[in-house]
Amino acid sequence: KNQVEQSPQSLIILEGKNCTLQCNYTVSPFSNLRWYKQDTGRGPVSLTIMTFSENTKSNGRYTATLDADTKQSSLHITASQLSDSASYICVVSAQQAGTALIFGKGTTLSVSS
Amino acid sequence: KAGVTQTPRYLIKTRGQQVTLSCSPISGHRSVSWYQQTPGQGLQFLFEYFSETQRNKGNFPGRFSGRQFSNSRSEMNVSTLELGDSALYLCASSPGQGKYNEQFFGPGTRLTVL
Repeated sequence: KNQVEQSPQSLIILEGKNCTLQCNYTVSPFSNLRWYKQDTGRGPVSLTIMTFSENTKSNGRYTATLDADTKQSSLHITASQLSDSASYICVVSAQQAGTALIFGKGTTLSVSS
Repeated sequence: KAGVTQTPRYLIKTRGQQVTLSCSPISGHRSVSWYQQTPGQGLQFLFEYFSETQRNKGNFPGRFSGRQFSNSRSEMNVSTLELGDSALYLCASSPGQGKYNEQFFGPGTRLTVL
């Protein structure tokens, strides 16, 4: 069964600190992996997309890594800001015609001052 | 370029009624996907339309249906509403093909079923 598991479920960190969110998946055949940021009450916004051959991708203070062999990904946030408080969702796309995405349940990050 | 728009933003219905939600994709995008988001289940894929044809479908009952028009705008219909249908319904548009086929989400329609 295609699944995406994220950990931790929630996280509280102090402003300025770094953190790493984890994503494990069992999606096959794998096409790509995406990280989204979702602010409360808004639609998700894409942070990074990685295909099988890409093992790291950065977007400002966000850096995602992908290990396709172990089927794991991580999202590292550097020098956190209050505006980073949001839900971070790992999404895996299976190789097939069209756009069928399997979503993790997300990690809720709270950054406090 | 204008983003994805969804209407209405908020909706309150009672059990047994039906509802139609609308999504206007980014200009030039041919694919529209619909998702249901609830606190317990997270985001779940409903279906995807590409060039007016349903290309993929998730595991939802037949009460959930959709369509796409020639201008790529899409509608989603839910008939015989149940309390459990209360959720945030998100649509996302994408080119529909290409290496990444990145999806851009709209703000969502918050449906409450009483």
